[in-house]
Amino acid sequence: DSGVTQTPKHLITATGQRVTLRCSPRSGDLSVYWYQQSLDQGLQFLIQYYNGEERAKGNILERFSAQQFPDLHSELNLSSLELGDSALYFCASSVGGGSVPFFGQGTRLTVV
Amino acid sequence: ELKVEQNPLFLSMQEGKNYTIYCNYSTTSDRLYWYRQDPGKSLESLFVLLSNGAVKQEGRLMASLDTKARLSTLHITAAVHDLSATYFCAVANYGGSQGNLIFGKGTKLSVKP
Repeated sequence: DSGVTQTPKHLITATGQRVTLRCSPRSGDLSVYWYQQSLDQGLQFLIQYYNGEERAKGNILERFSAQQFPDLHSELNLSSLELGDSALYFCASSVGGGSVPFFGQGTRLTVV
Repeated sequence: ELKVEQNPLFLSMQEGKNYTIYCNYSTTSDRLYWYRQDPGKSLESLFVLLSNGAVKQEGRLMASLDTKARLSTLHITAAVHDLSATYFCAVANYGGSQGNLIFGKGTKLSVKP
């Protein structure tokens, strides 16, 4: 158990809908990262927050957004969902930007 | 833009054999990570390599880093079935950001008796 908690573990939703994925980082970690893992794209970095502020953006679609709250938990919002958004979404956390990120168990999103 | 390439992408080994997975990256970085992922599971950190010539070993796995060649290797010694998993290398991307990782496509290792 890495100490990073993601909810829900599984999510099935219809195209066009909006979902929110939640991540609680390890105690003491200030950095949160979101990654998308799919068969065709592999592990894609989406976005990073550090102590509540956006620090880096990767291949994140405009339909997706994220935030990190004062208690350091983070949420990834996915809207206008398409079939191609079906993937495993991982959250990772680390003490700072240069330390080892530890990954949560992931949320498996299925869009039907 | 930082790119990370792993090869091979698929590796079928017999128990007891040795093999090496290679990870090349395109721009300078001072951190390289190796992760293991079992099917449908999370990513488990195996090694962090921070400097040129760094070598780390854990059990039957040994990782090394050559920053001049922008190359890391993960060497498997006398493979056993329990090592079957997908192995990812990831390189820290400091281009305008701090610390996010760019992953290779992964090497799916299957160890057969």
